[in-house]
Amino acid sequence: SQQGEEDPQALSIQEGENATMNCSYKTSINNLQWYRQNSGRGLVHLILIRSNEREKHSGRLRVTLDTSKKSSSLLITASRAADTASYFCATVPQAFSGNTGKLIFGQGTTLQVKP
Amino acid sequence: NAGVTQTPKFQVLKTGQSMTLQCAQDMNHNSMYWYRQDPGMGLRLIYYSASEGTTDKGEVPNGYNVSRLNKREFSLRLESAAPSQTSVYFCASSVVGGGYTFGSGTRLTVV
Repeated sequence: SQQGEEDPQALSIQEGENATMNCSYKTSINNLQWYRQNSGRGLVHLILIRSNEREKHSGRLRVTLDTSKKSSSLLITASRAADTASYFCATVPQAFSGNTGKLIFGQGTTLQVKP
Repeated sequence: NAGVTQTPKFQVLKTGQSMTLQCAQDMNHNSMYWYRQDPGMGLRLIYYSASEGTTDKGEVPNGYNVSRLNKREFSLRLESAAPSQTSVYFCASSVVGGGYTFGSGTRLTVV
C-alpha cells in the first residue's frame, strides 16, 4: 500500500516558471523526503524534513510540511529544462522508525520543463 | 566514486530460471534496501536489512530471498523467475533516519 500520494501526477511548465508539487500521506511520520528521478536513472535524494520542522530550503528547492494536514509541498523556483524528471515524496512512518529508516514512496509527479 | 553499485544493469531471464542481483555500498551505511519499480506503482519495498546480520520482509517479498553478506553487500535472489517479476530493481543504503543513496538499477525482463 502506498503511504504518499503526489499531486498532480504530471506537470508541464515553461523554463523560468515555478513548479509546485504536493504530497499527502496517511499515517504519522518520523520524516518526509523528496527524491528526483531522471528517465532511466536511479533516484537522487533532494531534501529531508523532520516531523518537527515546517519548512526547509536547499538552493532553488523549498519544502513545507504540515503534519496536521498530513501534507507536504515541493516548490522548485526558476525552473530549468534540466529539472525535467519525476519527483517522489517518501515517508518514514513512526511505526517503522525504531530500528530502520524504512521509506514508503508515493507514485510520483512527472515534471516537464519546456525550454 | 562513492555510492551504491548494482550488477547487472540489464538481464533477460526465461520463466523458471534463477538469478542473483548484486549490490554493494562503500559509504559505511548500516541499512540497505531492495525496491522494485513498476509503471504506475511507484517504488515498492521488497526486503530490507537494518544492519549486518539482519533482514526483514517489505511490502512485496514473495518470490525473493536476500542475503546481507557483510556490511557492504546485500544481494537479492530470484529462485524461479516469473513474468510478474519483470521490473526495474533498485538497491539503496542509508543511515537510520537519513536520506537514501540509490544504485542505478537493474532492468529485468522475464519471458
